[in-house]
Amino acid sequence: EIVLTQSPATLSVSPGDRATLSCRASQAVNGNLAWYQQKPGQAPRLLIYGTSTRATGIPARFSGSGSGTEYTLTISSLQSEDSAVYYCQQYNNWPPWTFGQGTKVEIK
Amino acid sequence: EVQLVESGGGLIQPGGSLRLSCAASGFTVSDHAMNWVRQAPGKGLEWVSGVSGSGGHTYYADSVKGRFTISRDSSKDTVYLQMNSLRAEDTAIYYCAKDAFMYPAFCDFWGQGTLVTVSS
Repeated sequence: EIVLTQSPATLSVSPGDRATLSCRASQAVNGNLAWYQQKPGQAPRLLIYGTSTRATGIPARFSGSGSGTEYTLTISSLQSEDSAVYYCQQYNNWPPWTFGQGTKVEIK
Repeated sequence: EVQLVESGGGLIQPGGSLRLSCAASGFTVSDHAMNWVRQAPGKGLEWVSGVSGSGGHTYYADSVKGRFTISRDSSKDTVYLQMNSLRAEDTAIYYCAKDAFMYPAFCDFWGQGTLVTVSS
């Protein structure tokens, strides 16, 4: 089973600043990595798949990068509505499909 | 418009059974795998089970293997999760999620979830 470790656990960022979230896999996932956003009381929403492809309707301020075992989600200019928990998920080695434990993004 | 509506959650005693349903609309259901993902209170996401678009292949997390069964009824565009021998640790919101492909990969649309509480 591939273990995904996200860091930091919590990120506090001022509006307009950049937020950088990390996801490290226990073995290479060959770019088969997705990111989700979950706001309180809501279902998760797909942001990014295939490491860097934005899902339909996702603003351009969200971008993904990485390779091998190291992946990053960047929010280039944080907006108040971006306050949420962000999860990475790998779909390279399955089952099981695995998620990271999440990074909570707070607005300063 | 894609819609996924889960139902069937509730309070159940340990050892009991529940069947969750997920009614899908707005897309060709047989073209997509479907997944169940759960979230225990205050915790992260855990993939539970998936079924291929054809329904011919099913997949389970080790934590539920042998206790849960996923199935789909294409005539009703509905996916089910039969949960037996429920334990306290199965308490969670259960999300039905549409996969982007015929076989489970990543979920491009999620339902609002149904809460399952296992407690005496």
